[in-house]
Amino acid sequence: AQSVTQLDSHVSVSEGTPVLLRCNYSSSYSPSLFWYVQHPNKGLQLLLKYTSAATLVKGINGFEAEFKKSETSFHLTKPSAHMSDAAEYFCVVEDNNDMRFGAGTRLTVKP
Amino acid sequence: GAVVSQHPSRVICKSGTSVKIECRSLDFQATTMFWYRQFPKKSLMLMATSNEGSKATYEQGVEKDKFLINHASLTLSTLTVTSAHPEDSSFYICSASRQDRATYEQYFGPGTRLTVT
Repeated sequence: AQSVTQLDSHVSVSEGTPVLLRCNYSSSYSPSLFWYVQHPNKGLQLLLKYTSAATLVKGINGFEAEFKKSETSFHLTKPSAHMSDAAEYFCVVEDNNDMRFGAGTRLTVKP
Repeated sequence: GAVVSQHPSRVICKSGTSVKIECRSLDFQATTMFWYRQFPKKSLMLMATSNEGSKATYEQGVEKDKFLINHASLTLSTLTVTSAHPEDSSFYICSASRQDRATYEQYFGPGTRLTVT
């Protein structure tokens, strides 16, 4: 069975500095990987997804993630954080019609 | 840690019947719960936001008469798929918001796989 580990429960950055949210996964097959963002009292919003095409995936709001099979990682990055990026981020792996969520990483952006 | 359960985990039903899926927050009170559906290799689609004691807020394109949501208590929300059809076959996931401390946290259920034959 697959699993997802988000390595940091909380990340704090200053506005304008890079963002790195880490995600490692385990999977027996060829997984699909997703990053979602959630703002308080709102539903999940898809940032980007990997489904066996290009390993570097570009998403909305300047986010991107790179699928590294050798490292079983799918880290989310953004070159320059904005105040509006403050939210909870979830890494999700789907494999063989089963889905697993990471525990989430709360991103705080300081002015 | 906080846990959200869903029941059943898998269900197979015949076309035309109704199916109820339960979402429970096991050790906290959830004023808000979300219902999603997901097709293989596709992203989650938010169906509705369920607030305890009030009517659910449905996303555009989601039929409220087909997908009945009831959030009767602070620990239970139910999704009933009425008059199910094969195209309703999907993976349904709920999440529950915990906001009884200074921080806001979200917890996901394990999902329910519905197959309509």
